[in-house]
Amino acid sequence: TQLLEQSPQFLSIQEGENLTVYCNSSSVFSSLQWYRQEPGEGPVLLVTVVTGGEVKKLKRLTFQFGDARKDSSLHITAAQPGDTGLYLCAGAWGNKLVFGAGTILRVKS
Amino acid sequence: DAGVIQSPRHEVTEMGQEVTLRCKPISGHNSLFWYRQTMMRGLELLIYFNNNVPIDDSGMPEDRFSAKMPNASFSTLKIQPSEPRDSAVYFCASRPWAGGNGYGYTFGSGTRLTVV
Repeated sequence: TQLLEQSPQFLSIQEGENLTVYCNSSSVFSSLQWYRQEPGEGPVLLVTVVTGGEVKKLKRLTFQFGDARKDSSLHITAAQPGDTGLYLCAGAWGNKLVFGAGTILRVKS
Repeated sequence: DAGVIQSPRHEVTEMGQEVTLRCKPISGHNSLFWYRQTMMRGLELLIYFNNNVPIDDSGMPEDRFSAKMPNASFSTLKIQPSEPRDSAVYFCASRPWAGGNGYGYTFGSGTRLTVV
């Protein structure tokens, strides 16, 4: 059983479409991070959210941390083929990070 | 900054052989983590160190796995003897130890281990 549940598991969309990836848990996290991983490489940090209700924007990516700090979402506007990859959410558990199973995103041109 | 450096990138070994994976964290990062990634189980934390001291090894699957961090710039993960079910991508990550959770991890490129 995953401590962090991500949905959807797979997403295949056309270039220019919008999408949202969700990360949910029954546990409260002190912070939550989003990573993007490309084949053959390690995950790369996109953002860290710390405060309940916090919203952060990174170009076309919008990240939100739930008020209760149990869930988060990643919204991508006008997806590009370069956004293709595995998106992972990770919750801080003491000094450890617990990862969700990830969402595989494929953006077709 | 060269980032977190792992070696080798790929390792193919026969069942029963000893395997040693190596990691050089980012200079100045005080926490080091070893993760394993498989399709079935995703990213699993194996062990982590703070200031070269192992803090939590509850994720190490069996006694066949051991990890050391003799100094701030080097860590190893050893599997002896290796088994086919150990096949996975092993990642090392480091982060500054600031007593809080606001710092993200920097991951290496991983070692893809195949045990035949």
